[in-house]
Amino acid sequence: SQTIHQWPATLVQPVGSPLSLECTVEGTSNPNLYWYRQAAGRGLQLLFYSVGIGQISSEVPQNLSASRPQDRQFILSSKKLLLSDSGFYLCAWSVGGFEQYFGPGTRLTVT
Amino acid sequence: AQSVTQPDIHITVSEGASLELRCNYSYGATPYLFWYVQSPGQGLQLLLKYFSGDTLVQGIKGFEAEFKRSQSSFNLRKPSVHWSDAAEYFCAVGAAPDMRFGAGTRLTVKP
Repeated sequence: SQTIHQWPATLVQPVGSPLSLECTVEGTSNPNLYWYRQAAGRGLQLLFYSVGIGQISSEVPQNLSASRPQDRQFILSSKKLLLSDSGFYLCAWSVGGFEQYFGPGTRLTVT
Repeated sequence: AQSVTQPDIHITVSEGASLELRCNYSYGATPYLFWYVQSPGQGLQLLLKYFSGDTLVQGIKGFEAEFKRSQSSFNLRKPSVHWSDAAEYFCAVGAAPDMRFGAGTRLTVKP
């Protein structure tokens, strides 16, 4: 069966510091991968998605970036965090573009 | 453009009572519809999905949802709520990466 991992589970970082969140999927090949952000009391905002290695589409212009160095690995990065980057970051995967399956999330607090 | 509205931000029901969570959507074609559940600090879990066919769909954990095209609705129901159902529920429409999520309904279950 397929599983999706995210780490770290929680992270507290100062403003201006770099960021790297990692997501890996097991049990499937060539998945579509997604990064979402969920701010407190709000819905989900799609940040990036990828249909293959090295292929990244950005949905929202901001100081975050994403990379897909391997088929089942998706990384969310920032060179300099802002206070507004705080939130709950969710990675998801899909095959065929229909339903998505979500990871456990990373709680990021920027101080 | 597709969109989802969950009119109820917060619902409280007693354990053992029935539950209905409302979802209204706007979509240009036959919609793909989903319900997800999120426990505090966790990722989203897919409860059920509708693509076509029978308008009453069964999901996990005893949930069901009914697609009503004339009302542009996809309401989630459960005949008897358990304390473990307390969570946030998200309705979604569309296919990834163009999936749109509602803002969520928080369910509180009273003993």
